[in-house]
Amino acid sequence: NAGVTQTPKFQVLKTGQSMTLQCAQDMNHEYMSWYRQDPGMGLRLIHYSVGAGITDQGEVPNGYNVSRSTTEDFPLRLLSAAPSQTSVYFCASSRGPSGSPLHFGNGTRLTVT
Amino acid sequence: SQQGEEDPQALSIQEGENATMNCSYKTSINNLQWYRQNSGRGLVHLILIRSNEREKHSGRLRVTLDTSKKSSSLLITASRAADTASYFCATDSTGANSKLTFGKGITLSVRP
Repeated sequence: NAGVTQTPKFQVLKTGQSMTLQCAQDMNHEYMSWYRQDPGMGLRLIHYSVGAGITDQGEVPNGYNVSRSTTEDFPLRLLSAAPSQTSVYFCASSRGPSGSPLHFGNGTRLTVT
Repeated sequence: SQQGEEDPQALSIQEGENATMNCSYKTSINNLQWYRQNSGRGLVHLILIRSNEREKHSGRLRVTLDTSKKSSSLLITASRAADTASYFCATDSTGANSKLTFGKGITLSVRP
């Protein structure tokens, strides 16, 4: 039972570099989302998707892009990394955007120097 | 923007004792959820309580919801060292396009 799989687990970037955080789920969930977790800030929603081909912005979308070409995959792209994007990133999925529990991956710890 | 706020921020108890954690929120909700996060791991869903429910149980967990006070509590009975983790409440607000909003979390330490 894989659930939600995130890669990589750790990443160090230099300011200005770009990268893609991968997220895949095998539960046929329509809803997928990306959160960042910072000390003392809880989890903040970056982007979400209610199905293939449909994405929307969350609370803190600046500096990030997403796409959803398949039900299974929801990659998060950092266009030009900044030190403020140093964080732990979590991908989550659920059957729907409301009333269903979220299933989380184990996170990607990103450091931008 | 934070909808749910947990209280206390940190809690340390002895194994076997009960742990009570509280969550307050500001706007009307469809449901409220509690999650646990072990160090270095993703969040794990514990329990969901809908706005028309007042209490739910799951094993050693008991969750209450008081919509008039806009608050919820999570009780863990007979705590174990393995319950040491961070606990988050998340609220699903009413209204179009509302998304699950997490609080900042409570750090629970259970001493053996």
